[in-house]
Amino acid sequence: KQEVTQIPAALSVPEGENLVLNCSFTDSAIYNLQWFRQDPGKGLTSLLLIQSSQREQTSGRLNASLDKSSGRSTLYIAASQPGDSATYLCAANNAGKSTFGDGTTLTVKP
Amino acid sequence: EPEVTQTPSHQVTQMGQEVILRCVPISNHLYFYWYRQILGQKVEFLVSFYNNEISEKSEIFDDQFSVERPDGSNFTLKIRSTKLEDSAMYFCAGRERPYEQYFGPGTRLTVT
Repeated sequence: KQEVTQIPAALSVPEGENLVLNCSFTDSAIYNLQWFRQDPGKGLTSLLLIQSSQREQTSGRLNASLDKSSGRSTLYIAASQPGDSATYLCAANNAGKSTFGDGTTLTVKP
Repeated sequence: EPEVTQTPSHQVTQMGQEVILRCVPISNHLYFYWYRQILGQKVEFLVSFYNNEISEKSEIFDDQFSVERPDGSNFTLKIRSTKLEDSAMYFCAGRERPYEQYFGPGTRLTVT
């Protein structure tokens, strides 16, 4: 059974800092790994998807990496802004269904 | 860009009542899913659906739950007799083969 863990649970940084969010998963037989952003009381906004054959994906200030063999993914956010404040979820996809982590709640202070 | 839609955005119901949550997936998607997120908790898989039948379900998805694709476009989740603990955000998702899952905006279900 897939289990996904995210560290840290919460992170507070001053504006402008670069930061790394961590995601680990127990079953490496994944189709892909997806990072989402969730604002309080809202839905899931897909940020990046890394296929199992890929090592990383980039979108703007976001970069996600995947090391399938060690069961790890990281989300790197460059030059953080207050608007980045949200909960970031990673989801490992096995045979179609996704298993989510608990998320990292990020607060970027102006 | 096509997107998954869900209705209603918020449903309030009394305990014991039946509810139907509706989703319109992206037209070329073949696999469909329901997930739920109880407030403050993680997103949990409920059920997957392919070729008009359930392909996998979690232990949460008991006899009170059912899914249907009645007309080839809508995908519904029915809860027969709602309990207080069914209060959650329910997300529908779809995909083509082993590709990215596209999630709907969610339906917030409040059971009073």
